[in-house]
Amino acid sequence: DIQMTQSPSTLSASAGDRVTITCRASQSIKSWLAWYQQKPGKAPKLLIYRASTLESGVPSRFSGSGSGTEFTLTISSLQSDDFATYYCQQYSTYSTFGPGTKVDIK
Amino acid sequence: QVQLVQSGAEVKKPGASVKVSCRASGYTFNSYGISWVRQAPGQGLEWMGWISAKNGNTEYAQSLQGRVTMTTDTSTVTAYMELRSLRSDDTAVYYCARSGGLGAYWGDSWGQGTLVTVSS
Repeated sequence: DIQMTQSPSTLSASAGDRVTITCRASQSIKSWLAWYQQKPGKAPKLLIYRASTLESGVPSRFSGSGSGTEFTLTISSLQSDDFATYYCQQYSTYSTFGPGTKVDIK
Repeated sequence: QVQLVQSGAEVKKPGASVKVSCRASGYTFNSYGISWVRQAPGQGLEWMGWISAKNGNTEYAQSLQGRVTMTTDTSTVTAYMELRSLRSDDTAVYYCARSGGLGAYWGDSWGQGTLVTVSS
């Protein structure tokens, strides 16, 4: 099985901050990675797929990069609506989610 | 707009089975797949598997092989996920999500979730 890790597990930030979340795979997944945002009691929302392709309707302050085993999700200027938990998902071999990164208010 | 509407909450006893439905609208059902993902209380997301609405091909998470069956009914544009031999650690919110074809397991539209509680 491909294992996914995320760092940090929790991130405290202020509105306007640039935020970066890292996702690592236990083996190469090429660019077969998606990122989601989830708020309490809600279903996940797709932000990015194929490592760097922005889903339609997602603000351009979100961006993804990386390939192979290391990936990043960047929020260029954190907005109040962005405080949430973020998950990466590999779909190179079956699929696995990362454990999540909670972004909360500093 | 794409919409996935899931069936209501369930309470089951250990050893029983549960079948969750996911009715699609707003797109051509048999041009996509459906992935199923679950989330235990306070925990992260777990991918359960995927089914093609075009031909019924499936891929299941190895951890659930033998206990899970995913099906679709193109006449009612509904996907189903059945989980058998339920245990307390199957208590979770179960989500369906529209996905692509084989290997394209990201979900671009999600159902509202179905809470399944397993308790004696």
